Amino acid sequence: GQNIDQPTEMTATEGAIVQINCTYQTSGFNGLFWYQQHAGEAPTFLSYNVLDGLEEKGRFSSFLSRSKGYSYLLLKELQMKDSASYLCAVVDSNYQLIWGAGTKLIIKP
Amino acid sequence: NAGVTQTPKFRVLKTGQSMTLLCAQDMNHEYMYWYRQDPGMGLRLIHYSVGEGTTAKGEVPDGYNVSRLKKQNFLLGLESAAPSQTSVYFCASSPTVEGNQPQHFGDGTRLSIL
Repeated sequence: GQNIDQPTEMTATEGAIVQINCTYQTSGFNGLFWYQQHAGEAPTFLSYNVLDGLEEKGRFSSFLSRSKGYSYLLLKELQMKDSASYLCAVVDSNYQLIWGAGTKLIIKP
Repeated sequence: NAGVTQTPKFRVLKTGQSMTLLCAQDMNHEYMYWYRQDPGMGLRLIHYSVGEGTTAKGEVPDGYNVSRLKKQNFLLGLESAAPSQTSVYFCASSPTVEGNQPQHFGDGTRLSIL
């Protein structure tokens, strides 16, 4: 079967750095997305990785290792508004998105 | 910038009632999707469409039907609502499934079945 694993919940301090991990086992791989979802709102696109390595976008970076079936989202200089759920999703061999359950990130002052 | 619009935003139904959720996108996207999101679970694909007049089953299609008569609209129907269908429903669209084109989501419909 297909499986995406993420930690259920993480807590971090305002101004700090946090890394949210995602491991996957899917039938094929055609890319990996990270989305942010604030409580009661729609998911919004953060990043996309298809090749190994780090993609940097301002305070957010995303890393991929296809051989290890592993990705992480790195958030720097945390702000209170970063409190949200972060969803990892893999594009499988049929070009369908397989979603993780999401990681709820709590930022404390 | 409307993007993806879902109606209604909230609805309460009684078991056995039927209803239709509406999704409209103004981005001229070919692909449209219906998901449900339940606590502790990832988004699960109900049905999707790869273009006007086409529909296909996703991971959890039972109890739902869809139609895509116009490119910009994707309708999700519940034939006979059951408490297990209580969920938050999201519609999404994308221009393609290849490459780095993300799916764009509507604000969701919160549906409770009593």
